[in-house]
Parts: sequence; structure tokens; C-alpha cells
Amino acid sequence: KQEVTQIPAALSVPEGENLVLNCSFTDSAIYNLQWFRQDPGKGLTSLLLIQSSQREQTSGRLNASLDKSSGRSTLYIAASQPGDSATYLCAVSGREGNNRLAFGKGNQVVVIP
Amino acid sequence: DGGITQSPKYLFRKEGQNVTLSCEQNLNHDAMYWYRQDPGQGLRLIYYSQIVNDFQKGDIAEGYSVSREKKESFPLTVTSAQKNPTAFYLCASSMFGYSGNTIYFGEGSWLTVV
Repeated sequence: KQEVTQIPAALSVPEGENLVLNCSFTDSAIYNLQWFRQDPGKGLTSLLLIQSSQREQTSGRLNASLDKSSGRSTLYIAASQPGDSATYLCAVSGREGNNRLAFGKGNQVVVIP
Repeated sequence: DGGITQSPKYLFRKEGQNVTLSCEQNLNHDAMYWYRQDPGQGLRLIYYSQIVNDFQKGDIAEGYSVSREKKESFPLTVTSAQKNPTAFYLCASSMFGYSGNTIYFGEGSWLTVV
């Protein structure tokens, strides 16, 4: 069974610093990995999707890397802003794709002005 | 606007009562999903449907039921058999059920047992 771990569970950074969030998974046979953002009491918003054949994806200040062989992904957020405060979740899909996403518990981020 | 609409946002259930959470999408997506989220926990899959009139159990289907009579709609019923239903429920959809497609989520529904 795929296990997804996100460490640390919570972190605070001063505004302007770069954020580095880590996600690890136990089974390297994945089809893709997705990073989501969740604001308190809200649904999830997809940030980046990395196919298993890709090494990274970028969108604006966000960059996500994938090292499938070591079972790791890292989400970088450059020049953090208070509006980046949220919980970030990582999810991996196996052979069944979105029908069997395995989620981590999330990294709760606070950016201090 | 295109998206996924969940209702109600807040729902209270009495012991022994069945309640139904609504999920409607206008994204023309084939696949729809129901997840449960408990505080500080990851999401767990309850049911999913890849096509109208077909659905499959997820990891925690006991005490729940669904229907998929229309492409746009995937309601979830929390039955009295679900012993610990208090949680945040999220509906989602994607173009196909398989890899390579972004999954989109609704805003969620809070269910509390009173």
C-alpha cells in the first residue's frame, strides 16, 4: 500500500524567504504526483502535476521536482508572501490514476509579514 | 463559471438519520469522486464513478452510498450505519479516471452529528 509522508507537519517562515516542502512516498511505481493547496475550511486547489516521466514542473513562483527512484518530491515557493499561508498537500497516483490517489497529511505553512 | 458545487456547506445529523450531500459539476468531466477529510489527516476515498450509472467503492465505503444518474451529479448519502460521520467531505472530478489529468475539488461540506 502506498504511504505518503510530508515533513514537517507545520512551519513558519518570514516573508520573502523561499519555502521548501518535502513529500516522500514508499512505492516508486507511480503514474504522476500532484501538489495541492488548501485554505482553512476550503477545498483543494491543484498547483502542479508532474508525470512520472518528468523531473520537474514550474508555474510562476512555484517549482516542483520529482525523483521517482528515491520516492521524493519537493515543492519550492520562491519569495514567499503572506498569501502563501495555507496547507500544501502532496498526492501520488498509481496504476489506477485519479481513482486511487494517495494523499499525505499536508504541510501547514504560515508566512510571517 | 465552471466548477464543482457542493451543498450544503454545513449539515447537522441526528443519530440514526440518513443525510445526503449534493455535488454538481459543469466541467463536462467523466469521473467524479467523494473524499473524507478528518482534522490533521490526509484525504481518504469513499466512492468514485468513471461513467454514468457506474460507481466503485473506495477505501472507506462502509456506511455510505452514492448514485450517478447524470454525468453532472454525484450525490453522497451518509447512512445511519456510518458510526463516525463527523468530518469534512470533499467532492472532486477529472476528465478521465486515469493518470495525466488534473483533479478538481469542490469547496467541501461539513457534517456534524448532534
